[in-house]
Amino acid sequence: EAGVVQSPRYKIIEKKQPVAFWCNPISGHNTLYWYLQNLGQGPELLIRYENEEAVDDSQLPKDRFSAERLKGVDSTLKIQPAELGDSAVYLCASSLGGTNNEQFFGPGTRLTVL
Amino acid sequence: AQSVTQPDIHITVSEGASLELRCNYSYGATPYLFWYVQSPGQGLQLLLKYFSGDTLVQGIKGFEAEFKRSQSSFNLRKPSVHWSDAAEYFCAVGPYSGGGADGLTFGKGTHLIIQP
Repeated sequence: EAGVVQSPRYKIIEKKQPVAFWCNPISGHNTLYWYLQNLGQGPELLIRYENEEAVDDSQLPKDRFSAERLKGVDSTLKIQPAELGDSAVYLCASSLGGTNNEQFFGPGTRLTVL
Repeated sequence: AQSVTQPDIHITVSEGASLELRCNYSYGATPYLFWYVQSPGQGLQLLLKYFSGDTLVQGIKGFEAEFKRSQSSFNLRKPSVHWSDAAEYFCAVGPYSGGGADGLTFGKGTHLIIQP
């Protein structure tokens, strides 16, 4: 069974440019998460989806970040415009949801903003 | 709000020696607890989890962890480490809200170095 797929794996952009990350969760997983991992830190939740509904986006900086999960499967996280401080790894995870909180993580997208 | 503390930023262990990584959590109810491992350039892999029941849980790769409610701890152990265990280890806590599976709160991680 395929795991969580993310692309691209690496992205280098100049500040003020837009960037988008894509995530394909494990088949059948209704819950999808985006996490931000700064260097030397643990992941921090940005947004959680239950199917196509964003049920927890309290930590998402909405002035420049946006996310969508059309049809409740794939998801895209966008930053526009990117800032130097956005350089980090963006992790996507999925879970069955309900009483099972086991989350499966993708390999992440490492963003470098110059 | 829940929080996770991993007191040791770096730990160095000789190959074949035993290992214990510390994790303390703060949460108002019984938490769901997890240990993840992250190798360079890789995503997080689940080592083990505690939801309820037996407080000593077994995981993959020979790891185990013990939930101690009185100490708010969930320490990870391995009796004999291998060079391939060198990685970053994260402890995480996750509540169940009843309406779905909430996001996890992670500690800052412990970097494990294995000496030959």
